[in-house]
Amino acid sequence: AQSVTQLGSHVSVSEGALVLLRCNYSSSVPPYLFWYVQYPNQGLQLLLKYTSAATLVKGINGFEAEFKKSETSFHLTKPSAHMSDAAEYFCAVRTGNQFYFGTGTSLTVIP
Amino acid sequence: GAGVSQSPRYKVAKRGQDVALRCDPISGHVSLFWYQQALGQGPEFLTYFQNEAQLDKSGLPSDRFFAERPEGSVSTLKIQRTQQEDSAVYLCASSPQPDRHYSSGANVLTFGAGSRLTVL
Repeated sequence: AQSVTQLGSHVSVSEGALVLLRCNYSSSVPPYLFWYVQYPNQGLQLLLKYTSAATLVKGINGFEAEFKKSETSFHLTKPSAHMSDAAEYFCAVRTGNQFYFGTGTSLTVIP
Repeated sequence: GAGVSQSPRYKVAKRGQDVALRCDPISGHVSLFWYQQALGQGPEFLTYFQNEAQLDKSGLPSDRFFAERPEGSVSTLKIQRTQQEDSAVYLCASSPQPDRHYSSGANVLTFGAGSRLTVL
């Protein structure tokens, strides 16, 4: 079975500091990996996706993620946090018809 | 339309009532998914349609849950005899390609804003 683990349900960073949100996956086949962001009372919005073309994936709003097969990880980073980055972030793995989501990490940005 | 539209955005039901939640996917999108998101949790898969065919309903938690997409566009998720544990946000998502094309990376889900169901 596929699964995604997000370490840290809550992360707080200062404005301008590095953002690091962790995601580990388990997959018996090469995975397709995604990060989604959810703002309050809104649906999930795609940040970036990994589809085996390149291990370092750049997404919207300055976010990027690196696929590390040896570590089965797909951590999300951003060099400098902005107040508008405060939201819930979900890592997901897709196999077949299904997307499997992590439980989410709530990011707080402190001014 | 420009995005995935869901209605109602908020629904309060008394335990035992039936509810129907509607999803309008992006025009032309072949694949449609329903997810259930409980408070503080990630979305959990409910069911998947390719056009009008329901290809996977393994995530539906009980036979009180029923989904349909009769003409391959709009979909309705129906919950009969609602229970308190059904309280959640129900998310609909669509994507342009059927599953066999997913290796191209084209199969990215576009989500609606969700329907928040509260069962009293």
